[in-house]
Amino acid sequence: AQKVTQAQTEISVVEKEDVTLDCVYETRDTTYYLFWYKQPPSGELVFLIRRNSFDEQNEISGRYSWNFQKSTSSFNFTITASQVVDSAVYFCALGGNAGNMLTFGGGTRLMVKP
Amino acid sequence: DGGITQSPKYLFRKEGQNVTLSCEQNLNHDAMYWYRQDPGQGLRLIYYSQIVNDFQKGDIAEGYSVSREKKESFPLTVTSAQKNPTAFYLCASSRASGRGDNEQFFGPGTRLTVL
Repeated sequence: AQKVTQAQTEISVVEKEDVTLDCVYETRDTTYYLFWYKQPPSGELVFLIRRNSFDEQNEISGRYSWNFQKSTSSFNFTITASQVVDSAVYFCALGGNAGNMLTFGGGTRLMVKP
Repeated sequence: DGGITQSPKYLFRKEGQNVTLSCEQNLNHDAMYWYRQDPGQGLRLIYYSQIVNDFQKGDIAEGYSVSREKKESFPLTVTSAQKNPTAFYLCASSRASGRGDNEQFFGPGTRLTVL
């Protein structure tokens, strides 16, 4: 069975601070896929990134960066110089090698205060 | 514009009534999904469909039913058997590769309240 744990249920930071959202996963698949989604107050989930298990390169996209570490089964997400518009719930998700389904973590609510 | 539409945005239901939530996509995706989200909680899979005329139960299918008669449509019926239906319902779609490697695209959601 697959499992995704986002231990931080809520994080509050002041604008311009850096913040890291943690994601730890469990799977028996040797090939798997990791995702991050953002859910703004409007409710619709927005896809941010996908990472394949065989590609351990970290990725940076503007103020966003992702640190994938297979050794610790983690796929953490860092926002640099946070902004109020980053306030949202962020979900980490895991896809396996059989079936199209994703397993979602419980989400981390990020509040960025001005 | 390609995307997923859900209607209505807000829905109120009296206890004992069945209600149907609409989900339509024009992304030409084979796979579609229904999730339930409770306040402060993650997403739980209700039903999913990988191809027209076929669907499977997810983790919390009791009290719900679906149909998949057309590729672009995947309506969800919340029946009176669902004991606590008040929640936010999200529909999603994706390509169907047979692996969990495709990002899912989400609709704007329907907030159901039982009075």
